[in-house]
Amino acid sequence: NAGVTQTPKFRVLKTGQSMTLLCAQDMNHEYMYWYRQDPGMGLRLIHYSVGEGTTAKGEVPDGYNVSRLKKQNFLLGLESAAPSQTSVYFCASLDRVNSPLHFGNGTRLTVT
Amino acid sequence: GQQVMQIPQYQHVQEGEDFTTYCNSSTTLSNIQWYKQRPGGHPVFLIQLVKSGEVKKQKRLTFQFGEAKKNSSLHITATQTTDVGTYFCAGANQAGTALIFGKGTTLSVSS
Repeated sequence: NAGVTQTPKFRVLKTGQSMTLLCAQDMNHEYMYWYRQDPGMGLRLIHYSVGEGTTAKGEVPDGYNVSRLKKQNFLLGLESAAPSQTSVYFCASLDRVNSPLHFGNGTRLTVT
Repeated sequence: GQQVMQIPQYQHVQEGEDFTTYCNSSTTLSNIQWYKQRPGGHPVFLIQLVKSGEVKKQKRLTFQFGEAKKNSSLHITATQTTDVGTYFCAGANQAGTALIFGKGTTLSVSS
């Protein structure tokens, strides 16, 4: 099993450009999450999904959109990238409530 | 909104010394989870505590959940260089559908 796979691993964007980060999990998990990690700020929840076709806002949702058209995929979109969105983005999935999170390896995004 | 606070932010120890990180929530938690992230890696689940006053051990690591289920701690006895990394606690949001993380404690160990 691959677990949680994130693509791309690295990306450099210019301010105003758009991009989509892809997260795929092969564990048939219901719940999926996008976190961002910045130095000294820990892991902050951007958006999450409790099932196919559903999404919800987390702690820092502004500037991002998400979609969960298929159970195994969770997409994170940046419509107009800003330097403040320079970060490491982690996708994670969960089998059921109160079970451990499984993280992907992260995407390092730099916005210049 | 719910907040999970963790202290200290950084801790440097000599190999063989003990280490403790503390976690406090602004709300009562149904459970608390602990994760470890090695430098350059992703967070990896360590343990989950559910019961009030619960204590669990994993070799040199001891995890405690407070009686009021609002605080927790992780204690490492006789640290080793392999313990280096950032330790996060995380509590569920009110709906129980997402985990909110503390800012983490980064541990460095010198031999």
